Amino acid sequence: TQLLEQSPQFLSIQEGENLTVYCNSSSVFSSLQWYRQEPGEGPVLLVTVVTGGEVKKLKRLTFQFGDARKDSSLHITAAQPGDTGLYLCAGGYNNNDMRFGAGTRLTVKP
Amino acid sequence: KAGVTQTPRYLIKTRGQQVTLSCSPISGHRSVSWYQQTPGQGLQFLFEYFSETQRNKGNFPGRFSGRQFSNSRSEMNVSTLELGDSALYLCASSLTAGGPYNEQFFGPGTRLTVL
Repeated sequence: TQLLEQSPQFLSIQEGENLTVYCNSSSVFSSLQWYRQEPGEGPVLLVTVVTGGEVKKLKRLTFQFGDARKDSSLHITAAQPGDTGLYLCAGGYNNNDMRFGAGTRLTVKP
Repeated sequence: KAGVTQTPRYLIKTRGQQVTLSCSPISGHRSVSWYQQTPGQGLQFLFEYFSETQRNKGNFPGRFSGRQFSNSRSEMNVSTLELGDSALYLCASSLTAGGPYNEQFFGPGTRLTVL
């Protein structure tokens, strides 16, 4: 059983479209991280959020941490083919362990 | 600065065999974590080593073990391989252990196939 549920599991869109992916849990996290993983490589950290309600922006990517620190979303504006990859969220617990979701596989078609 | 390296990159074994995977962290990093990645389960935490001591362990059977050397390099071992052990095994290094801003840097992984 996944502690972190990510949705959708797969997403295929055209270049220029906007999208949002979600990360949900019944547990409260001390922190939440988003990673992107490309084929043949390990995940690369995009952002860390620690405060409930926190919003962080990274160019066209907007990350939000839920008020109750149980969920998070990643919004991409005007998606580009270079955004293609597996997006993983990871929640941090009080013992500082990080637990990952199964990921959302995003394909952006030119 | 060299990244995290993992060897070998690909491995094919048969059921019942054992395997050892190696991870060299970024120079100066003292913490190494291991994860198993499968399409259905995502990344599952195996264990974390810090300064040669196992700091945390995930929910995996005793067939999975690891160790860390004084130079922070780490190995993980899987004995009596099962078909379900086929996965991408990822190693991540970080400067210290724990903390929400403790960024993990992942290696490219070792793809293990058990026949």
